[in-house]
Amino acid sequence: EVQLVESGGGLVQPGGSLRLSCAASGFTFSTYWMSWVRQAPGKGLECVANIREDGSEKYYVDSVKGRLTISRDNAKNSLYLQMNSLRAEDTAVYYCVRGRTRVVYWGQGTLVTVSS
Amino acid sequence: QSALTQPASVSGSPGQSITISCTGTSSDVGAYNYVSWYQHHPGKAPKLMIYDVSNRPSGVPDRFSGSKSGNTASLTISGLQAEDEADYYCSSYTSSGLMVFGGGTKLTVL
Repeated sequence: EVQLVESGGGLVQPGGSLRLSCAASGFTFSTYWMSWVRQAPGKGLECVANIREDGSEKYYVDSVKGRLTISRDNAKNSLYLQMNSLRAEDTAVYYCVRGRTRVVYWGQGTLVTVSS
Repeated sequence: QSALTQPASVSGSPGQSITISCTGTSSDVGAYNYVSWYQHHPGKAPKLMIYDVSNRPSGVPDRFSGSKSGNTASLTISGLQAEDEADYYCSSYTSSGLMVFGGGTKLTVL
């Protein structure tokens, strides 16, 4: 059974940092693109970053470039999102998902709240 | 990287058919056959209903169908059922290397 379990969310002040983690199991992690998708309160879905199977390619939505960094550790079957210089508009549920053109498997999501 | 355009809401009676449109550009919907549709009940993870424009994952009823013409994709639900009431999102792969989603459409079954 495919499982994606996010952790690391919480309350952080504007300008602060957080690191999200996603533990993957039930599939060969190293053979899939992975992405982070977020949903702000009352808003739609937004893919903020993705990463190639071997980590050699990474793409970011313009609004997070230079502040969020996606990475992976295939030996640990883990995906990460380092979030720096956080803004109020980064407040959202962050989902770890498998794939880059379609998403069959989603994590349960972790809530990031940026507020003073 | 602008969101795809979907109607905010659609509604239909049980047994009827509805269609949700999803309009993008020549850099996303028009350029790739990587359009997907997701059903989302609040508090739960989205569920993939259609992928690659018109393919259904196993377990999705054939009442759900997808199509694309130019920069606009469509999701049609025929034989509407009460359980179909949910938010629906389209997505497309884009030339920026990312997926872009639509703003979501709230389907109400009257």
